[in-house]
Amino acid sequence: AQRVTQPEKLLSVFKGAPVELKCNYSYSGSPELFWYVQYSRQRLQLLLRHISRESIKGFTADLNKGETSFHLKKPFAQEEDSAMYYCALRFSGGYNKLIFGAGTRLAVHP
Amino acid sequence: DSGVTQTPKHLITATGQRVTLRCSPRSGDLSVYWYQQSLDQGLQFLIHYYNGEERAKGNILERFSAQQFPDLHSELNLSSLELGDSALYFCASSVGMGNQPQHFGDGTRLSIL
Repeated sequence: AQRVTQPEKLLSVFKGAPVELKCNYSYSGSPELFWYVQYSRQRLQLLLRHISRESIKGFTADLNKGETSFHLKKPFAQEEDSAMYYCALRFSGGYNKLIFGAGTRLAVHP
Repeated sequence: DSGVTQTPKHLITATGQRVTLRCSPRSGDLSVYWYQQSLDQGLQFLIHYYNGEERAKGNILERFSAQQFPDLHSELNLSSLELGDSALYFCASSVGMGNQPQHFGDGTRLSIL
């Protein structure tokens, strides 16, 4: 069954520290993965998609098929990065359905 | 602004009642998706419509139904409401059915008293 696991409910770091938000997935097909960010219960915003291999707001994520992971990283956290981060797997049964992880709250302290 | 519009922003009602949530997708997007975000279940996919037709169902209760109209806006109908239906309901849209990213609306916060 398709599943996305974000093992940490809360990640608390100080400003300037490196950040790694973990995401592991379970999917027998060819995965497509996304990171969405949600600030203060606002709408979800697309942060990254693995096929784009881009860096947004200093965040990067690399798909590791061997470890079935798609961890989100940033070398130097900023206070404005504080938000909920959701990893999502697109179920490619043809219908563009997203399966979300439980989310990780990132708290960046001054 | 994602371009996806959801109304109302907040809805407070009582158990047993029925409500309708509305979503207008981004201009040009043919797909609409509904998601439920609750404290205990997290973010769950409910249903997907493409150009007026239902394409996929997720964890949607039988008390819930949805439709997409010819002008591509969508409505999510929730009936016989229970306390556990209290949640944030998000709508998202995308251009087609393929691998285009989904853009989310601000959500409708439903509170059942």
